Amino acid sequence: NAGVIQTPRHKVTGKGQEATLWCEPISGHSAVFWYRQTIVQGLEFLTYFRNQAPIDDSGMPKERFSAQMPNQSHSTLKIQSTQPQDSAVYLCASSSGLGEEQYFGPGTRLTVL
Amino acid sequence: GDQVEQSPSALSLHEGTGSALRCNFTTTMRAVQWFQQNSRGSLINLFYLASGTKENGRLKSTFNSKESYSTLHIRDAQLEDSGTYFCAAEAGGGTGSKLSFGKGAKLTVSP
Repeated sequence: NAGVIQTPRHKVTGKGQEATLWCEPISGHSAVFWYRQTIVQGLEFLTYFRNQAPIDDSGMPKERFSAQMPNQSHSTLKIQSTQPQDSAVYLCASSSGLGEEQYFGPGTRLTVL
Repeated sequence: GDQVEQSPSALSLHEGTGSALRCNFTTTMRAVQWFQQNSRGSLINLFYLASGTKENGRLKSTFNSKESYSTLHIRDAQLEDSGTYFCAAEAGGGTGSKLSFGKGAKLTVSP
């Protein structure tokens, strides 16, 4: 099992550009989570899906951020009009169901210049 | 405020010694996970507990949901144990599966 796969591993964007981050959960896992990590805020929850349906997006910034899960094998996090404060490591995790152990991918380091 | 209070924030050990990390929770949690973040930034699963104590090699973790805390004990520390350790907990009461993380504890093991 390859574990959770995230691409790209590093992304550099200019201020105002769009960034799309990809996550492939562990095969057979029905829940997918997005978190981000910064030095200042630490690890923060963003949003999660179960069986591809959005369940909780309470951690998502209200503007510019969106997440989708078009099929069971991948989820995307899109940031429009990126700002320097969006610079962070974005982590995707999956679990076999709600209330089960979460396994994390290696993260995508987003740098907004 | 923060739901997960982790201490200490940093810890130095000599090889062969041991210590403990602790997380206190300000709300009822149904499960806790402990992770080690390595030098590449990857979160490595150490333990998942809904209650009680688990042991794996030189590591042992306890979760007491009634008293709202969890601990991670490290014994006979080795150089490769260096890294940042995080606890993360899932709130109970049907509020969902998202994890709330502690601020982390940076462990440095020296010869």
